[in-house]
Amino acid sequence: GIQVEQSPPDLILQEGANSTLRCNFSDSVNNLQWFHQNPWGQLINLFYIPSGTKQNGRLSATTVATERYSLLYISSSQTTDSGVYFCAVEDSSYKLIFGSGTRLLVRP
Amino acid sequence: ETGVTQSPTHLIKTRGQQVTLRCSSQSGHNTVSWYQQALGQGPQFIFQYYREEENGRGNFPPRFSGLQFPNYSSELNVNALELDDSALYLCASTSTRGDYGYTFGSGTRLTVV
Repeated sequence: GIQVEQSPPDLILQEGANSTLRCNFSDSVNNLQWFHQNPWGQLINLFYIPSGTKQNGRLSATTVATERYSLLYISSSQTTDSGVYFCAVEDSSYKLIFGSGTRLLVRP
Repeated sequence: ETGVTQSPTHLIKTRGQQVTLRCSSQSGHNTVSWYQQALGQGPQFIFQYYREEENGRGNFPPRFSGLQFPNYSSELNVNALELDDSALYLCASTSTRGDYGYTFGSGTRLTVV
């Protein structure tokens, strides 16, 4: 099956700093999503981005499907950005395969 | 537009018991899938339902079963609960148009003692 690898596994930032999270996947995929899991467990959809670049406020994402990777950029980080960020890809049987996540802590 | 809602939010069961978790999909979505997330790990796909039929299953034993109803809501049933079934169970819905990806509920946290 498809393997999804995220890096770094853990990240500590000072408020206001920028960061880049990476997601590599091992095969072609139907789509790719980035999620933020809040402390209560809910997965918040950040981007649906099978290819190209999208921006939403301080967040942006780029997926290069031909090279099988995606990047999530967080600019001017805030303490509320803390949590776990997951990349998930949809395989040919329409199931989502998640990476192991990047745990982000933003300090005030 | 309502999101995905799950119930209950928390549940404690005894080993060997049976449990039913419920999910209402987002308005306009006709496909629902269930995921199990153990502590410190990413969610793992259990199964997916479309038009009231299972159309995909992950590596979970038959004691994990589900239903989808005509209004696209869904249930996850787990029989003969084991301690390792303790996890956060997440429901996600999407539409077959696939324009916006999957929307997840807040999850049900199941503890088996």
